[in-house]
Amino acid sequence: SQQGEEDPQALSIQEGENATMNCSYKTSINNLQWYRQNSGRGLVHLILIRSNEREKHSGRLRVTLDTSKKSSSLLITASRAADTASYFCATGVKKSSGDKLTFGTGTRLAVRP
Amino acid sequence: DAGVTQSPTHLIKTRGQQVTLRCSPKSGHDTVSWYQQALGQGPQFIFQYYEEEERQRGNFPDRFSGHQFPNYSSELNVNALLLGDSALYLCASSLRRTTYGYTFGSGTRLTVV
Repeated sequence: SQQGEEDPQALSIQEGENATMNCSYKTSINNLQWYRQNSGRGLVHLILIRSNEREKHSGRLRVTLDTSKKSSSLLITASRAADTASYFCATGVKKSSGDKLTFGTGTRLAVRP
Repeated sequence: DAGVTQSPTHLIKTRGQQVTLRCSPKSGHDTVSWYQQALGQGPQFIFQYYEEEERQRGNFPDRFSGHQFPNYSSELNVNALLLGDSALYLCASSLRRTTYGYTFGSGTRLTVV
């Protein structure tokens, strides 16, 4: 089953604008990760934020995590046409037996040139 | 440094048949996880292998089974295929004792007719 929901389901912006995607989840987590997927192919890891972190940056990406609200957001600044893809949040839970990712439903981002 | 390699890239099978998908993890990784992604959905966790044993399993029937070999590569087997098994099957590798993002392969597109 999906861990939670992503909002919005689809987003269309102009090149150069910022894109913000939100993710909500249901259970306690060890970390939260964001992935990008182009045209239904493999997932590319973008950024990981641990449960004891509140904000993290990587290039044009900014991720926030609010464990009290069980939510996260991904901000892509100065978007480019090449950023057009589906974006998924995934919660990571570690157990003694191993770890697994539980993915959200994804946000489809379209960046118009 | 090769990433995760999956084979085949596409596969068409008939209902009731059996299928085997293969995955070679990224160099240095020792853990392999399998995910099923239906069209328009987020990936769903099938199971994870480490030290040649299944360590965690998602909500999938016993028709889904796997194996990990001493060189860390893995196979996913699905018996008695159903139309609903049509999906993109993704393999992800990771290093067990670290908390980094997973590396995903490009996936195998399985179509059951």
